[in-house]
Amino acid sequence: ETGVTQTPRHLVMGMTNKKSLKCEQHLGHNAMYWYKQSAKKPLELMFVYNFKEQTENNSVPSRFSPECPNSSHLFLHLHTLQPEDSALYLCASSQGGDNYEQYFGPGTRLTVT
Amino acid sequence: DQQVKQNSPSLSVQEGRISILNCDYTNSMFDYFLWYKKYPAEGPTFLISISSIKDKNEDGRFTVFLNKSAKHLSLHIVPSQPGDSAVYFCAASRAQAGTALIFGKGTTLSVSS
Repeated sequence: ETGVTQTPRHLVMGMTNKKSLKCEQHLGHNAMYWYKQSAKKPLELMFVYNFKEQTENNSVPSRFSPECPNSSHLFLHLHTLQPEDSALYLCASSQGGDNYEQYFGPGTRLTVT
Repeated sequence: DQQVKQNSPSLSVQEGRISILNCDYTNSMFDYFLWYKKYPAEGPTFLISISSIKDKNEDGRFTVFLNKSAKHLSLHIVPSQPGDSAVYFCAASRAQAGTALIFGKGTTLSVSS
């Protein structure tokens, strides 16, 4: 498998559930990102991990909890979400160094009921 | 306030003609700019980028122009093809590893045959 993969592609969860989104990159990159795209809004950065260390948290509520166990895997743990958290969640990776292009996965379409 | 703006939500072009997508930014600290293309149910796909030390970068049918004094960039697609129909996002960042991309809201390009 190549590129950036995300599972699941679709997720429906209740407000009291706990679920996790998974991202895996097969590009040998050193940085990984979570972005959120809500309806009618641009993509917004949530978290950045650079060499497995979290380097940016864009004022994201604590009901979203990221985890980066190694440079190839990134998780987003979800608990007690709100309906307004329904959105497309996109994972991306980048090589680092002088290469700034980010490569995106297909996203997880999350619906909170 | 949005730091990256794509003021045209949509653009329609005939096959074979030139498509010009525009983007404006407000933050003078941005020094790296990217264009992404997105099909429905897929993540954004990297198209082309430009560093602030250049004013033009070309890759096949795609050319990006940067006017730093006007804080404006544009993507030219020549010739346009029906397969180019997608949402195009402009993004900007600092040229720094593990830095967030700041996205515009996107322009939907429709190329008719």
